Amino acid sequence: AQSVTQLGSHVSVSEGALVLLRCNYSSSVPPYLFWYVQYPNQGLQLLLKYTSAATLVKGINGFEAEFKKSETSFHLTKPSAHMSDAAEYFCAVSDTGGSYIPTFGRGTSLIVHP
Amino acid sequence: DGGITQSPKYLFRKEGQNVTLSCEQNLNHDAMYWYRQDPGQGLRLIYYSQIVNDFQKGDIAEGYSVSREKKESFPLTVTSAQKNPTAFYLCASSPWTGPNYGYTFGSGTRLTVV
Repeated sequence: AQSVTQLGSHVSVSEGALVLLRCNYSSSVPPYLFWYVQYPNQGLQLLLKYTSAATLVKGINGFEAEFKKSETSFHLTKPSAHMSDAAEYFCAVSDTGGSYIPTFGRGTSLIVHP
Repeated sequence: DGGITQSPKYLFRKEGQNVTLSCEQNLNHDAMYWYRQDPGQGLRLIYYSQIVNDFQKGDIAEGYSVSREKKESFPLTVTSAQKNPTAFYLCASSPWTGPNYGYTFGSGTRLTVV
């Protein structure tokens, strides 16, 4: 069985500050991990994915995430927040032990203050 | 450009009425999915289909039905048996149901019971 926990339903940062969105997963087999972004009244867009090739994954819009097996984490970071980063962010996990359908976290709303 | 088209963007349903949400993709993807999104609950899987004329129930299939007569199309019917249908519905697709594929999402349909 797989599960995802996103710590913090809301994260607030100032423009130019570091963005850190937390994601912890549970999986009985090596996981595949994803981060998606959702702007208001839109669908989700894939930011980046981890598929075991490299533990540090770079995505679009300056975001990156690091897979840490010992901590079962896949936190999303960006060095400097922009106003346009304000959105809902979802972490998802899928594994090779079942139907491959990913499980999504409940989402974290990123608020960026000027 | 290839993508997923969901229509309508907004839909209003009267009590006891069935409504159908459209989802069309021109990505030549084999797998398609329907998710329901409620505030603070993330995405919950309703149905998915890996090939034409075949589909499987997700976590919350009760009160919903689907069909997959064409590779490009995966319509969702919200029946009168669904007691709380007000939500944001998202359609997605992927090349196959392998664990390393990210999803492409449509822009969603917001359904409201009136």
